[in-house]
Amino acid sequence: KQEVTQIPAALSVPEGENLVLNCSFTDSAIYNLQWFRQDPGKGLTSLLLIQSSQREQTSGRLNASLDKSSGRSTLYIAASQPGDSATYLCAPTGANNLFFGTGTRLTVIP
Amino acid sequence: DAGITQSPRHKVTETGTPVTLRCHQTENHRYMYWYRQDPGHGLRLIHYSYGVKDTDKGEVSDGYSVSRSKTEDFLLTLESATSSQTSVYFCAISETPPQVHTEAFFGQGTRLTVV
Repeated sequence: KQEVTQIPAALSVPEGENLVLNCSFTDSAIYNLQWFRQDPGKGLTSLLLIQSSQREQTSGRLNASLDKSSGRSTLYIAASQPGDSATYLCAPTGANNLFFGTGTRLTVIP
Repeated sequence: DAGITQSPRHKVTETGTPVTLRCHQTENHRYMYWYRQDPGHGLRLIHYSYGVKDTDKGEVSDGYSVSRSKTEDFLLTLESATSSQTSVYFCAISETPPQVHTEAFFGQGTRLTVV
């Protein structure tokens, strides 16, 4: 069974800092990995999808990397803003399912 | 935003009553999923559908059933609600199967409380 761990569980940073969120998973036989953000009381918003053959993917200030063999992915956020405050979830993908960790709750302080 | 509507958004029900949650999509995506989200757990898959009338169980399917009679609608039914089914339920859609994945898109969630 795929187990997903996200470290740290919570993170508080001043505005403007660059930061890295970590995701590890136990089964490297994944097809893809998707990063989401979730605002309190809201649904999940897709941020980035990394195909299993890719090493990284970029969208604006976000950069996600994937090392399938070691079971790790990182999400890099550049020049953080208060609007980035949310919970970030990584989801490696199996044959019929996305597997989720409990996320990293990010607070960016103005 | 992907066109996914979940209804109701909030519901309080009594133990032992049947409950049906609806997910409606306007994207014509073939794959639809129901997840639940609980404190201390990541989202966990309940059931999924890979086409009209084609469904299969996920990780936590006990106590739940689903139906998909049209491409756009995926219903989740709790036959006899229990307090352990108090949760936030999310519907998701994707155009292709996970192994050739395009992005999955999620609805806004339904908060269900069983008292």
